[in-house]
Amino acid sequence: RKEVEQDPGPFNVPEGATVAFNCTYSNSASQSFFWYRQDCRKEPKLLMSVYSSGNEDGRFTAQLNRASQYISLLIRDSKLSDSATYLCVVNRGYSTLTFGKGTMLLVSP
Amino acid sequence: NAGVTQTPKFRVLKTGQSMTLLCAQDMNHEYMYWYRQDPGMGLRLIHYSVGEGTTAKGEVPDGYNVSRLKKQNFLLGLESAAPSQTSVYFCASRIDSGSSYNEQFFGPGTRLTVL
Repeated sequence: RKEVEQDPGPFNVPEGATVAFNCTYSNSASQSFFWYRQDCRKEPKLLMSVYSSGNEDGRFTAQLNRASQYISLLIRDSKLSDSATYLCVVNRGYSTLTFGKGTMLLVSP
Repeated sequence: NAGVTQTPKFRVLKTGQSMTLLCAQDMNHEYMYWYRQDPGMGLRLIHYSVGEGTTAKGEVPDGYNVSRLKKQNFLLGLESAAPSQTSVYFCASRIDSGSSYNEQFFGPGTRLTVL
């Protein structure tokens, strides 16, 4: 099993739609979880951290299920500007992170 | 505050040539990282540093060397470039506050082609 697995997509959705991504991780000892966003040919940027209690930031909601070892990201009321690749990220020890390969989202008018 | 900067932005090398990629951060971060990103492979950690004068291997260290002589700089060297090292290289840094939830801040990347 890969350390962090994501559906590569692309997910094609119309503006205003709700879309959800899931990610699974293999290391049950992982302690910290994130979603990063990467625009085409740009650097990754932190979208949000994912805590055990979940996390909501405007139209974005992230959830963590430790028992099943998966993380989810829900985007409501999709905007054209949400088109990007979303990277699921899990810590590997204290110092380093493991990145998933990313899920591509394309929002169309 | 420039954040994390990388030099150069683009480079084309011939097989066997050497080069050094420079990463600089002005946030006084302890930790610094070098990743490579290839199509379909995601970001993979090459080397990292937890402080000035320290370095450690990541997932894919072969063919690369690093140095962290100053806290703000992290250098990635390719001694004898190979076509398999054609990639986009990202540098990142983060603070060490005792939490594993600290954000990694990335530089804009260096696009390297080895012919």
